[in-house]
Amino acid sequence: DADVTQTPRNRITKTGKRIMLECSQTKGHDRMYWYRQDPGLGLRLIYYSFDVKDINKGEISDGYSVSRQAQAKFSLSLESAIPNQTALYFCATSEADGQETQYFGPGTRLLVL
Amino acid sequence: AQSVTQLGSHVSVSEGALVLLRCNYSSSVPPYLFWYVQYPNQGLQLLLKYTSAATLVKGINGFEAEFKKSETSFHLTKPSAHMSDAAEYFCAVSDPGGGNKLTFGTGTQLKVEL
Repeated sequence: DADVTQTPRNRITKTGKRIMLECSQTKGHDRMYWYRQDPGLGLRLIYYSFDVKDINKGEISDGYSVSRQAQAKFSLSLESAIPNQTALYFCATSEADGQETQYFGPGTRLLVL
Repeated sequence: AQSVTQLGSHVSVSEGALVLLRCNYSSSVPPYLFWYVQYPNQGLQLLLKYTSAATLVKGINGFEAEFKKSETSFHLTKPSAHMSDAAEYFCAVSDPGGGNKLTFGTGTQLKVEL
């Protein structure tokens, strides 16, 4: 079984709709991250969480919110989706060991019409 | 602030030829550096990382990278390309002690031709 899972894998929604992307991990890591990937732009950090009570904004947090329900679960919400939020979204986890290695989920492909 | 520049958004090589993917970084402190690979319809997988130990780092699938402080570079190489190496490759930098936050380059799509 995959260590980092994301649901759904693909989603089509309409402008103005609320949508939640979910991430679960079995690696036992404290730190979790949400990125979006756009062609030609690489990955950009949306939010990150060092533990259940520590959530921080990343480079591009506007229009997004997150919830860390447990050590193993980190959800990303788009309160009112807009077309330029069409992207590939990745969740990642890491240990707090100073080695910085992040482990990525398979991604969620989101299309906002 | 840290940044990463990957020269060449697309690189094409023949099977068996040398693979060279370029990465230059900017960091105010000695960085940690990473190469990740993304195969079609998959997440990112760590190829190798530099964390201030040996400057020549060996990774999976025959890839290696050399940290050159004087050139602020961390180029990825493989002596002989294989068809299975076709993927997108991302260089990333983090600030040790900066909370594991990674700054990614824009990626290089590697095509391997017969």
